[in-house]
Amino acid sequence: DAGVIQSPRHEVTEMGQEVTLRCKPISGHNSLFWYRQTMMRGLELLIYFNNNVPIDDSGMPEDRFSAKMPNASFSTLKIQPSEPRDSAVYFCASTPETGEAFFGQGTRLTVV
Amino acid sequence: QKEVEQNSGPLSVPEGAIASLNCTYSDRGSQSFFWYRQYSGKSPELIMFIYSNGDKEDGRFTAQLNKASQYVSLLIRDSQPSDSATYLCAVRSNSGYALNFGKGTSLLVTP
Repeated sequence: DAGVIQSPRHEVTEMGQEVTLRCKPISGHNSLFWYRQTMMRGLELLIYFNNNVPIDDSGMPEDRFSAKMPNASFSTLKIQPSEPRDSAVYFCASTPETGEAFFGQGTRLTVV
Repeated sequence: QKEVEQNSGPLSVPEGAIASLNCTYSDRGSQSFFWYRQYSGKSPELIMFIYSNGDKEDGRFTAQLNKASQYVSLLIRDSQPSDSATYLCAVRSNSGYALNFGKGTSLLVTP
């Protein structure tokens, strides 16, 4: 398996634009997580899905953020409209039942 | 709020020494504990996990868990410069699926 695949790896966008981050989890993993990492706040959990169902989105900063998982092999995280304070590295991770998370390579988002 | 606390460091140890990394957690319902290593500019990678009180060894790494004290640690024996990275402690509650991460400890192994 190729591991968790995220795209794009880097994204630079202007404030106010819509940003969509994509993730393909490891096949057979039943949970998927979106994390955001900054120097100040470390790794923050934004939302997680279990069997494609959103379980907890309490970490989503505000209504500008939304996430979907239409099937077991694909998830998106959308920011609309984007703001400079959204600049961070966004990680997607998937886990099997045993709970250990396997991370994608991340998307480095810069909002100017 | 379920807290996972780590000393940010940097922790500096000479090559060949034992590095000791510590982590405390606030949720007594936590059942699974994980250590990740993250090199600068890279994603976190799993080193090992521990579920039961006591020690678990894997090569040069030993994880130690004390649920009564809500404390988990990672020992790295014979530290190498290539071990220089940030080490993240993660905790999973018995009531949920999510991993809560500490902010990490920066380790520097000097030749």
